Amino acid sequence: DSGVTQTPKHLITATGQRVTLRCSPRSGDLSVYWYQQSLDQGLQFLIHYYNGEERAKGNILERFSAQQFPDLHSELNLSSLELGDSALYFCASSLMTGFRTDTQYFGPGTRLTVL
Amino acid sequence: DQQVKQNSPSLSVQEGRISILNCDYTNSMFDYFLWYKKYPAEGPTFLISISSIKDKNEDGRFTVFLNKSAKHLSLHIVPSQPGDSAVYFCAASGSEGSARQLTFGSGTQLTVLP
Repeated sequence: DSGVTQTPKHLITATGQRVTLRCSPRSGDLSVYWYQQSLDQGLQFLIHYYNGEERAKGNILERFSAQQFPDLHSELNLSSLELGDSALYFCASSLMTGFRTDTQYFGPGTRLTVL
Repeated sequence: DQQVKQNSPSLSVQEGRISILNCDYTNSMFDYFLWYKKYPAEGPTFLISISSIKDKNEDGRFTVFLNKSAKHLSLHIVPSQPGDSAVYFCAASGSEGSARQLTFGSGTQLTVLP
C-alpha cells in the first residue's frame, strides 16, 4: 500500500459526459501528479500540482482540468468524454516540489471506460 | 514520438536465472533514470534509479546499468523469483523544460516460471 488513495476504482460512462477522479496523497506529501495509461502504452504525464499550485503540464487535453485543494487532495475533471479517453488514470504523490529525484508514490488507479 | 522505448513487451525466465530488461531513450536531455514495477490492480512501485553520473547502481537482487553513449539502460534481476513477475516500466527525466517530468516506456511483462 503506497498510501495514495484514488476513487473511484472503476468508472463507466457515456460519450459526452463529465467525470471527476479523486486522489488523496500520502500524508505529508505536497506534490500530486496525474498520469494517463492507455492500452499498451506507458504512463503519460498529464499535470503536476505542488501545495495547491499548478507546476507543470504535460499532454493534457483542454477538455481535462485538475486542481489541488487546501487539504492537498486533488481532482482530475474530464469533460466531453470521447471513446479514446478510456484509460487507466493514475495519481502519484511526492514529498517535495517535484524535484525530479523525488520518489513518486502511485495510487492504484481509476479505470475509466467510455461507452 | 516515443522518447523512452521498451522494445520487448514480454519476457519469460526460469526461477533462479537472470532477468534482463532493456530500455532505450532518445532524448539527450535525460539524465536521471528509474525503474518501476507494477502488479495487476496496483499502481507502479519505485524499484531503483540511476543518475547519469554513474553507470551502475545496485540494490540487492536488482542492478541497473546505464550506457550513456548508446542511450541504453538495463535492469538485471538475479536470481529471479516468481514474485518478480510483474510489468516493469523504465522512466527518464532531465533537468530542463518538459524533460523535467517523468517519461515512461510502455513496459515489459516479466514472467518468472517456477
